[in-house]
Parts: sequence; C-alpha cells; structure tokens
Amino acid sequence: GENVEQHPSTLSVQEGDSAVIKCTYSDSASNYFPWYKQELGKGPQLIIDIRSNVGEKKDQRIAVTLNKTAKHFSLHITETQPEDSAVYFCAASMTNQAGTALIFGKGTTLSVSS
Amino acid sequence: DTEVTQTPKHLVMGMTNKKSLKCEQHMGHRAMYWYKQKAKKPPELMFVYSYEKLSINESVPSRFSPECPNSSLLNLHLHALQPEDSALYLCASSRQGGGGSTGELFFGEGSRLTVL
Repeated sequence: GENVEQHPSTLSVQEGDSAVIKCTYSDSASNYFPWYKQELGKGPQLIIDIRSNVGEKKDQRIAVTLNKTAKHFSLHITETQPEDSAVYFCAASMTNQAGTALIFGKGTTLSVSS
Repeated sequence: DTEVTQTPKHLVMGMTNKKSLKCEQHMGHRAMYWYKQKAKKPPELMFVYSYEKLSINESVPSRFSPECPNSSLLNLHLHALQPEDSALYLCASSRQGGGGSTGELFFGEGSRLTVL
C-alpha cells in the first residue's frame, strides 16, 4: 500500500521568511497530492493540491512542486505570517480494488514568530 | 466553515456504553470517509463508503461499526470501546465515488471521543 514520509516534523521560522516542507510517496500509481492545514481543535482544511500531470502549482504565497520520477512533492510558503502557524499534512491518493482514499504524512508543526 | 457537519462535537462514554457519531453533507458527494486522529498524529483511514456501499475497511476492530443510510449521511456506531480508542474522529466527503482519481476531501471539524 501507499506510504507517505514527511519532513521536517517541526519547523520554526521568523515572520517574512519562507518555509518548505517535503514529502515522498511510495506508490507510483498515486496521482493526486493535496496539502492540508490543521489548526488546533479543527478539522484539516485543504490549502493546495496538485495532480500528477502537473509539475508545479501556485496560489498567492503558497506553491507546490511535484517530481513524479523521484516520487516527491514539496510545499513552499513565502512571506510567512503568524497565522500560518499550524500543523501541515501532505497526502497521496491510494487506489486499490476496493476504492480510493488519501494516505497522510505524519505532519509538520510550523511555528511563525513575529 | 466546513460543509461537512459532525455531531456530537464531544462525547464521553464508558467502556460498556453504546453510542453513535453522525456525519452529514449536502454537497452531493458520493464518497464518504471516517478517519481517526490521535493527538499530534496524522488522520488514519478507517472506512470508505462509495455510492453508499462500504468499499474500504482498514482492518478496524468490530467495536466500530459504520453505516451509510443514504448519500448524505454517515454514522459510526461505537460499542465496548477501550480507553485507547479515545481520539478525534473525522468525517470527510469527496465528489467522486468508486475507484480512479481522488478529488478533494472535505473534512468536518471532528467528534472528540473520550472513553473512560
């Protein structure tokens, strides 16, 4: 089955700096890679996603890159703000005979200090 | 605000109790999911329903029993739970059902379960 590795587990940056979180996946059949942000006491919320036919996607201060050959994808946050502080999860799609679901990485706790 | 509604938000139950968690979405999504999340851990897949049929059961103990009465509702029935089952239970839905490409998962805010 799919296995998703995420690094680093914690990341502390100063406001205005960039933050990069990296993930690798094992199943070459995976074709959908979302990133979720989870704030304390809330459910995960999608912030950006990328499909396997695209190498890069950007939405304002957030970008995701995908290297399908190497099976890794990364989240880039520029000009970080204190409200970016949260736990970030990468995920990869898993499909078997039974159906399709997302498998999550272990998460990165991002702290942005002002 | 999430469009996936979970009730109750908090639940405390004893090991001999029977309770249920409920999830509702009105986005016309055909796939619904239960995930379990322990503190400082990622969500772990439990069950997937596709077109109201159970399609994935990730070897979850039988003390957890899912039910999908219709395309908008998903329940998780709990019986004879253990203290280690205490966690945040997240419901999610996605547009597609069945195999193939996965779309965005919309998560609810979760039901925080404490088993005494």
